[in-house]
Amino acid sequence: GDSVTQMEGPVTLSEEAFLTINCTYTATGYPSLFWYVQYPGEGLQLLLKATKADDKGSNKGFEATYRKETTSFHLEKGSVQVSDSAVYFCALSPYSSASKIIFGSGTRLSIRP
Amino acid sequence: NAGVTQTPKFQVLKTGQSMTLQCAQDMNHEYMSWYRQDPGMGLRLIHYSVGAGITDQGEVPNGYNVSRSTTEDFPLRLLSAAPSQTSVYFCASSYSRSGANTEAFFGQGTRLTVV
Repeated sequence: GDSVTQMEGPVTLSEEAFLTINCTYTATGYPSLFWYVQYPGEGLQLLLKATKADDKGSNKGFEATYRKETTSFHLEKGSVQVSDSAVYFCALSPYSSASKIIFGSGTRLSIRP
Repeated sequence: NAGVTQTPKFQVLKTGQSMTLQCAQDMNHEYMSWYRQDPGMGLRLIHYSVGAGITDQGEVPNGYNVSRSTTEDFPLRLLSAAPSQTSVYFCASSYSRSGANTEAFFGQGTRLTVV
């Protein structure tokens, strides 16, 4: 079945460091791919998305590129801030069933001042 | 501009009690879902609905019931609470156009403790 695998956390970085959180997926067809972010005490909110191969999603300095050949959607940011501390979830939505979103286990990110 | 509203935010139940978690959305979304979030396990789908009057089971449906009598509301019922149901519950909704996927909008969550 469809699944998402992302790097385990927690990840701790210093402010202004470069961030990569790895995400790979298994799915049939052409799913849509998402990164969601969860700040402490809040629900999930969409950070960025990509709906077809080679698309690049971007938002708030974060980027991720839909790589069909490597089935990956790695999240990157060139210079992280303390305010980026949160839990990040990679997710996919099968093309045939938009109601089903399959999540990775989440990666907790902590940024030191 | 409420989006997805969940109530209550916190709840403590005794084993064997029943309760209903409420979820309402004001975006006229067709799809609504319930997830539970447990440490190290991400979000797991409990039940979902593709429209009023239509529901289906997700990955972990046992011990939970749902109904969808209106587009706006999608309550989740715990029939007889067990400690294993201690978790954070999230309701989500999304609007899907034919042939394309759109993102889900989440409520703030309900933190449930069963003692």
